[in-house]
Amino acid sequence: GAGVSQSPSNKVTEKGKDVELRCDPISGHTALYWYRQSLGQGLEFLIYFQGNSAPDKSGLPSDRFSAERTGGSVSTLTIQRTQQEDSAVYLCASSRTDFYEQYFGPGTRLTVT
Amino acid sequence: QKEVEQNSGPLSVPEGAIASLNCTYSDRGSQSFFWYRQYSGKSPELIMFIYSNGDKEDGRFTAQLNKASQYVSLLIRDSQPSDSATYLCAVIPQGGKLIFGQGTELSVKP
Repeated sequence: GAGVSQSPSNKVTEKGKDVELRCDPISGHTALYWYRQSLGQGLEFLIYFQGNSAPDKSGLPSDRFSAERTGGSVSTLTIQRTQQEDSAVYLCASSRTDFYEQYFGPGTRLTVT
Repeated sequence: QKEVEQNSGPLSVPEGAIASLNCTYSDRGSQSFFWYRQYSGKSPELIMFIYSNGDKEDGRFTAQLNKASQYVSLLIRDSQPSDSATYLCAVIPQGGKLIFGQGTELSVKP
């Protein structure tokens, strides 16, 4: 079946602009995760959605970052007033529930100029 | 103390050798353990998972779990240059969500 998809694959934006990154999880997966990975670094957890439960936002680095998940499926990560330090690859992953393996999308490479 | 620890490497092995990648975790109640491979510029790809103590083999890959020692490892037999990548260990602690280690960079030299 189809894997996790993300769009856009690349995004270049000017400092101060807002950006929206989209994730479409594997059909039937109730858990969805967002991570950030800077060049040469490990995965940084951002936010986690599980079914209808309140999201775990403990990894969001500032209040400029927010995410929503509509209808338990597609998720959008929004970064307001982007800064150069926001430049990274943003990865989305989904799993059947939070106790199973995660499958990653191809990522969105964000460059803030 | 980090919850999932890996040596960052790089670990360099000659082609055809066995590569051994190690991971320790802090939550004794952890139940699920995973290994991901990440090529440069790509997203992580699941290659192995293990839930029970002992060994689990899949082709050239063997995952080993020792819950008493809180230790999980990945062995790659007959290493190939195409195995050169960063390997991420991931653990689901009791009642929690998946936690990733920082990854070990593996380089297989022809």
